Amino acid sequence: GENVEQHPSTLSVQEGDSAVIKCTYSDSASNYFPWYKQELGKRPQLIIDIRSNVGEKKDQRIAVTLNKTAKHFSLHITETQPEDSAVYFCAAINTGTASKLTFGTGTRLQVTL
Amino acid sequence: GAGVSQTPSNKVTEKGKYVELRCDPISGHTALYWYRQSLGQGPEFLIYFQGTGAADDSGLPNDRFFAVRPEGSVSTLKIQRTERGDSAVYLCASSRDSLGTGWSEAFFGQGTRLTVV
Repeated sequence: GENVEQHPSTLSVQEGDSAVIKCTYSDSASNYFPWYKQELGKRPQLIIDIRSNVGEKKDQRIAVTLNKTAKHFSLHITETQPEDSAVYFCAAINTGTASKLTFGTGTRLQVTL
Repeated sequence: GAGVSQTPSNKVTEKGKYVELRCDPISGHTALYWYRQSLGQGPEFLIYFQGTGAADDSGLPNDRFFAVRPEGSVSTLKIQRTERGDSAVYLCASSRDSLGTGWSEAFFGQGTRLTVV
């Protein structure tokens, strides 16, 4: 089955700086990669996703890049703000053969003033 | 409702007791997923329903865990003879169609925090 690794486990940045979170996956057939943000005590919420037919996707201050050859994908947050502080999870799925997302272990992002 | 609803939000039970956790998916969503999230970990898959049937229950840890979705909407996760190791947040998610269609996204509920004492 799919295995997703995520780094770093914790990340502290100053407000206004950029943050990068990286994930690797094991199943080369995986083709859908969502990122979820989970604030303390709240539900995971989808913030951005990417499919294997593109290499990069942007949505305002958030971008995701995908390298299929290396089997890794990354979340980039620019101009970080205190409200970006949360735990971020990457996930992967091969939509052709599976219906369940496999999640990484999460990155706790702390944006300091 | 507008989102996935889970009840109760918190459940404390004694070791050995039976518990039921409920999930109300977004109306019209045919796919429903149960995940378990331990402290500091990512969600871990338990079971997936497409309609009324369990299409994939490979994540259920043992036969003390069981889930149903009799009418293709509300689902109940049932845990028998609870153990302290079952303590976790149990998350439910739904999607309009199976993620296998390639375009549906999964929406999560806020979870039920289960504590076995």
